[in-house]
Amino acid sequence: GAGVSQSPSNKVTEKGKDVELRCDPISGHTALYWYRQRLGQGLEFLIYFQGNSAPDKSGLPSDRFSAERTGESVSTLTIQRTQQEDSAVYLCASSLNLQAASYNSPLHFGNGTRLTVT
Amino acid sequence: GIQVEQSPPDLILQEGANSTLRCNFSDSVNNLQWFHQNPWGQLINLFYIPSGTKQNGRLSATTVATERYSLLYISSSQTTDSGVYFCAATREYNFNKFYFGSGTKLNVKP
Repeated sequence: GAGVSQSPSNKVTEKGKDVELRCDPISGHTALYWYRQRLGQGLEFLIYFQGNSAPDKSGLPSDRFSAERTGESVSTLTIQRTQQEDSAVYLCASSLNLQAASYNSPLHFGNGTRLTVT
Repeated sequence: GIQVEQSPPDLILQEGANSTLRCNFSDSVNNLQWFHQNPWGQLINLFYIPSGTKQNGRLSATTVATERYSLLYISSSQTTDSGVYFCAATREYNFNKFYFGSGTKLNVKP
């Protein structure tokens, strides 16, 4: 596609429910990242994928958070038993590949999913 | 991880004014990028600049890696420059985890 696509753009859920957030990276981008941005704050790293593999899951806040990626394309971030502190914008980014991310290949961000837990 | 600190946290400018935004980082980095987040939340990459100086129109950036800081210059500011500017860095030998600063919120008034 033309850019990184995320869905839904907005999600309101009740505390305790599970939610799934979807990210479609730019075609051909092998590296995919998830970030969380709380209101008025910077971006907090959650997880990255190189292809279908997630070598670094250290940013996931708790075991209620999980992510997967299939076919080196779509990724899903799942939050189980949502809590109010999970309310934030969840941003997905992709880049050509990790090596390229280090050498003049910028991160391309989607528009995010705004999650509100009531 | 790396500590990334940005200053100032907030900045108000009159259209046409110039400004300098600063990003300090606590460790050696091998990837330093500047981003602009517009008022609708969209993040756009401005510069990849682990060292040296680059210019793109009214924007330029300089990174002095040995002193662990980067500067973003905005000249002849326009209202469309409003938003939040983030810098992000990765550590040497771990270039896949970007650490973001908390941003500089810029408001350019007409």
